[in-house]
Amino acid sequence: EPEVTQTPSHQVTQMGQEVILRCVPISNHLYFYWYRQILGQKVEFLVSFYNNEISEKSEIFDDQFSVERPDGSNFTLKIRSTKLEDSAMYFCASSVDTDTQYFGPGTRLTVL
Amino acid sequence: AQTVTQSQPEMSVQEAETVTLSCTYDTSESDYYLFWYKQPPSRQMILVIRQEAYKQQNATENRFSVNFQKAAKSFSLKISDSQLGDAAMYFCAEGFSSNTGKLIFGQGTTLQVKP
Repeated sequence: EPEVTQTPSHQVTQMGQEVILRCVPISNHLYFYWYRQILGQKVEFLVSFYNNEISEKSEIFDDQFSVERPDGSNFTLKIRSTKLEDSAMYFCASSVDTDTQYFGPGTRLTVL
Repeated sequence: AQTVTQSQPEMSVQEAETVTLSCTYDTSESDYYLFWYKQPPSRQMILVIRQEAYKQQNATENRFSVNFQKAAKSFSLKISDSQLGDAAMYFCAEGFSSNTGKLIFGQGTTLQVKP
């Protein structure tokens, strides 16, 4: 069964450094998403992406964040200058249409 | 703002028994979907069940079923014949048929299954 994959599973970085989180959505899916979950809290929407552009972003998704689909398979989330409060689990998800989303296993980001 | 509320931070159930997790939502949209996701200790988000708002019939998936009360904006999850592997955090989520498709999640309910 096809699934969403994410790399790395765990990323440790120093405050102020740039990180790129990578996702490979399910191949026939057209909608892509990033969510984050701070430890012990609920899952929060960051951004949705369709037809090579951002379709919606949350207040969390400020100028430090960007997304890209550099080729036909990868979907990336870049954080330009990480802060301590960016430490969280980041989930990528994809869907065929704006219906059921399938999530990847997540990348745990630790900012020191 | 659209919100999803899970009023039970923790629940416990005896193995083989039935448990119901509650969820309410607040939306003015007419076309939406509701989901339950399971998050085990691995923190993977696993889809459990999905309900389309325009369907009156409650969704079922094996031991999992929902009680969807549209007028009350309530969407509870019933787990029958609970198994040890059901122990996890359960999140209720609402999605919309707009072109963004974002999901709004509740705070989660931690389910403990006792042997």
